[in-house]
Amino acid sequence: EAGVTQSPTHLIKTRGQQATLRCSPISGHTSVYWYQQALGLGLQFLLWYDEGEERNRGNFPPRFSGRQFPNYSSELNVNALELEDSALYLCASSFRGAATDTQYFGPGTRLTVL
Amino acid sequence: AQSVSQHNHHVILSEAASLELGCNYSYGGTVNLFWYVQYPGQHLQLLLKYFSGDPLVKGIKGFEAEFIKSKFSFNLRKPSVQWSDTAEYFCAVLSGGYQKVTFGTGTKLQVIP
Repeated sequence: EAGVTQSPTHLIKTRGQQATLRCSPISGHTSVYWYQQALGLGLQFLLWYDEGEERNRGNFPPRFSGRQFPNYSSELNVNALELEDSALYLCASSFRGAATDTQYFGPGTRLTVL
Repeated sequence: AQSVSQHNHHVILSEAASLELGCNYSYGGTVNLFWYVQYPGQHLQLLLKYFSGDPLVKGIKGFEAEFIKSKFSFNLRKPSVQWSDTAEYFCAVLSGGYQKVTFGTGTKLQVIP
């Protein structure tokens, strides 16, 4: 069974640009989660999508946004990039989105903002 | 807001030593608790989880964790570590529904052969 996949592996942008990160969940999973892992800050919850709808978001500004497509894949967009957005962005998926469902993580996209 | 504390940032042990990694959380209501592990060059993966029932939870690779509600703790233990346990370990808490998981900052474990 294929795991969660993310693309690209690395992304280099400059301040003010926009970044688009992509995630494909495990087949059969409807929920997708995005996390930011910045140096020294641990993983911070960004967004949760389930069945195409945004269900919850963490304490991040509105320039962090995303969407979930009908095939349950997801896109994270970061507008007006700032230097502190440099981080590893992890995507996870779960079967439904119930509290008892395990989240399975992808390898991440390393975003570097210069 | 929910917070998760992992007080040990870097732990170095010799093989066969016993391991205990601390995890404390702040939420006073019903919580679901997790330990994840990230081996070098690999994805985050679930070690074990607690939702309800027996507060002593057994996970993969001989790890276990005990939920102590009165202490807001969910410490990870292993009686005898191996070199292959070298990894970063993350405690995580899901509280208040809506699948908002809060992670600790992680503990890097280095096991010396």
